[in-house]
Amino acid sequence: GENVEQHPSTLSVQEGDSAVIKCTYSDSASNYFPWYKQELGKGPQLIIDIRSNVGEKKDQRIAVTLNKTAKHFSLHITETQPEDSAVYFCAAPREYGNKLVFGAGTILRVKS
Amino acid sequence: NAGVTQTPKFQVLKTGQSMTLQCAQDMNHNSMYWYRQDPGMGLRLIYYSASEGTTDKGEVPNGYNVSRLNKREFSLRLESAAPSQTSVYFCASSEAHYSNTEAFFGQGTRLTVV
Repeated sequence: GENVEQHPSTLSVQEGDSAVIKCTYSDSASNYFPWYKQELGKGPQLIIDIRSNVGEKKDQRIAVTLNKTAKHFSLHITETQPEDSAVYFCAAPREYGNKLVFGAGTILRVKS
Repeated sequence: NAGVTQTPKFQVLKTGQSMTLQCAQDMNHNSMYWYRQDPGMGLRLIYYSASEGTTDKGEVPNGYNVSRLNKREFSLRLESAAPSQTSVYFCASSEAHYSNTEAFFGQGTRLTVV
């Protein structure tokens, strides 16, 4: 079955710097890779996703890159702001796309 | 537009007690899910309902049962709570099942079993 590993588990950056979170997956058939953001006391919320027919997708200050050969995808946040502080989860499908497996999460702290 | 609503938000149970976590969505979604979140382990799928009238086991179904009451509501029942079930529980829904469609999550239920 699918195994999703996420690194680092915690990340501290200075406001204005960039942050990168990386995930690796095991199922070569996986074709959809979402990223969710969870703020304190709330449920996760989708912030960006990428499908396997593209290598990169951007939405303002966030971007996701996908390397299908190496089976990894990354979240990039530029010009970080205090409101970016949260837990970020990557995910990948398994079992013919019937289930979504989440990474363990990354706690991002943006210091002002 | 409330989205996904979970009740209760907090609950403390004694070992062996039973309870039902309620979830309702108002987005006319077909698929609904129950996850548990534990420190360092991300979100793990307990049960899901791909469409009204169907339910299936996820990664960690032992100790739980579910009911898809109608298209809007999906409940999670703990028949005999154990300390290992102390966790934060999230309900989610999506338009279709689901691995390539956005999932919308509720605010969670923090459950403590003593």
